[in-house]
Amino acid sequence: DIQMTQSPSSLSAFVGDRVIITCRASQDIRNDLGWYQQKPGKAPKSLIYTASSLQSGVPSRFSGSGSGTEFTLTISSLQPEDFATYYCLQHNNYPITFGGGTKVEI
Amino acid sequence: QVHLVESGGGVVQPGRSLRLSCEASAFTFSMYTMHWVRQAPGRGLEWVAVISQDGNEIHYVDSVRGRFTISSDISKYTLYLQMDSLRDEDTAMYYCTTKRCDAGGTCHFFEHWGQGTLVTVSS
Repeated sequence: DIQMTQSPSSLSAFVGDRVIITCRASQDIRNDLGWYQQKPGKAPKSLIYTASSLQSGVPSRFSGSGSGTEFTLTISSLQPEDFATYYCLQHNNYPITFGGGTKVEI
Repeated sequence: QVHLVESGGGVVQPGRSLRLSCEASAFTFSMYTMHWVRQAPGRGLEWVAVISQDGNEIHYVDSVRGRFTISSDISKYTLYLQMDSLRDEDTAMYYCTTKRCDAGGTCHFFEHWGQGTLVTVSS
């Protein structure tokens, strides 16, 4: 199985900060990676697909980059509504696997 | 507009069975491959199973293989997850979610989600 190692597991930030979350795959997954945001009590929401493509309706302050084994999600200027938990996911091979999550707190 | 509604969750004793349903729009079933993803209380997301549009491709995570069965009824636009021999560790919110690939071959994984249905396995 492909392991997805996400870091940090949590972070504290201020509104307006630039936030970077990293995900590392245990083997080459090309660009078969997505990023998801989840708020408490809600279903996850897709932010980024194929590592760097912005999902329709998602603000442009979110961006994704990387390929192979190293990926990043960047929030260029953190907004109050961005405080949530973020997950990466690889779909290069079954079983599909998620990273452990990054909780972004105020 | 893609709309997914899960149902069938509840409290069940270890070793018993439960069947989850995910009702989708006709549009969803014609365009998407359907997946189940779960989340134990206070934990991260775990992919569970997938069924292709024609039902010919099915995969499971190791921890449920042999106990869970994914299926779909196209005439009812409904996805199912039959869960047998339930264990404490199956306690989770279960979500159905979608995957589609566009004409250019780009695939959108887990673009749409239901609200989830909670399964609690407890004696």
